[in-house]
Amino acid sequence: DGGITQSPKYLFRKEGQNVTLSCEQNLNHDAMYWYRQDPGQGLRLIYYSQIVNDFQKGDIAEGYSVSREKKESFPLTVTSAQKNPTAFYLCASSIRHSSPDTQYFGPGTRLTVL
Amino acid sequence: GENVEQHPSTLSVQEGDSAVIKCTYSDSASNYFPWYKQELGKRPQLIIDIRSNVGEKKDQRIAVTLNKTAKHFSLHITETQPEDSAVYFCAAVKTSYDKVIFGPGTSLSVIP
Repeated sequence: DGGITQSPKYLFRKEGQNVTLSCEQNLNHDAMYWYRQDPGQGLRLIYYSQIVNDFQKGDIAEGYSVSREKKESFPLTVTSAQKNPTAFYLCASSIRHSSPDTQYFGPGTRLTVL
Repeated sequence: GENVEQHPSTLSVQEGDSAVIKCTYSDSASNYFPWYKQELGKRPQLIIDIRSNVGEKKDQRIAVTLNKTAKHFSLHITETQPEDSAVYFCAAVKTSYDKVIFGPGTSLSVIP
């Protein structure tokens, strides 16, 4: 999992601002995912992408947007439409075999709205 | 829709005792079941996984069992140590083209 990085580690945003979280992997993984985690809570899927130039909404996509222009990169934009964006954001990636395989997580970005 | 339930939500054990966390899944087509450990403020990390063609898998103090008929799987940690304290997530997956369905997590505390 050392091959998947997220930046920045901590991010502060004023209300009404858009902010973009970076996720990069050098594992040659096909699929990438974004999760949101609130304190003491589980993992909720925001968006995922199985292949370049294609992505699908997860369970809580409202107020977020993504792009997948390169296999290695899957940035997440938290827009001003997301009313409660303060959370821990985790990116993950996995390889696509004929059978499912492990997701590897990045170290996370902690976003705080001031 | 697909769902994974996980019990208990919190678990406290004395150091050296065993801990068991149980998960049930709803989609009988699920065939891959990973377990992740997440320490406070850190990323989830895979600790063990099992595929549907296997009933049990063991790795040192950690073991996972799978009952496909009953659609449940369990994590067993023996001889627990304080560093086992963390949140544990189970998950179920159908194919590599499907999203992973995570359980809500179990917070394990090992008391020295």
